[in-house]
Amino acid sequence: DTGVSQNPRHKITKRGQNVTFRCDPISEHNRLYWYRQTLGQGPEFLTYFQNEAQLEKSRLLSDRFSAERPKGSFSTLEIQRTEQGDSAMYLCASSQGTGREKLFFGSGTQLSVL
Amino acid sequence: DQQVKQNSPSLSVQEGRISILNCDYTNSMFDYFLWYKKYPAEGPTFLISISSIKDKNEDGRFTVFLNKSAKHLSLHIVPSQPGDSAVYFCAASADSGYALNFGKGTSLLVTP
Repeated sequence: DTGVSQNPRHKITKRGQNVTFRCDPISEHNRLYWYRQTLGQGPEFLTYFQNEAQLEKSRLLSDRFSAERPKGSFSTLEIQRTEQGDSAMYLCASSQGTGREKLFFGSGTQLSVL
Repeated sequence: DQQVKQNSPSLSVQEGRISILNCDYTNSMFDYFLWYKKYPAEGPTFLISISSIKDKNEDGRFTVFLNKSAKHLSLHIVPSQPGDSAVYFCAASADSGYALNFGKGTSLLVTP
């Protein structure tokens, strides 16, 4: 068990560029979540996958955001045409089970949009 | 709108004493509550949870109390240790969804 891995740890981009983040969950976990955290706030839910199916999306996830989990293993989060308001820590979490189990979080990807 | 509120941004406690972190929620559909701890440059780490069918859950030095009528929960850390210094997030979920709703966090500083 190596934990939830996220890459890159930091990303600096210019406004208008596209960025993609990767998350590798704990290997046996079937559930994967994306959250976003800005300074002084708690993590905010973005989206949730069970295996490869995206089952829930937050209103925060605008059309510029897209997430995939093609084989039910790793996941990618892409932001198109980045805006300065997208600057945040993007956290990935995973869990295993069918109940209300605890989430294991990665260390996050810090995005700065200049 | 913030459905989970942690009204104390920071708390300072002496080593060995009790730390009490508070959390209020507004959504009566929430029935599962968790506390996470976060160190700088790391993701949140699960600490302890409680279901709405209970009013107390204990794990070592950590105890969570739930008062459903007041929509309030608290985390007690006894005795507090310098290594407990971190940001603590309260989170809640409803049976109808998968999302955890987090508060803004309370920064705990335990001084020697």
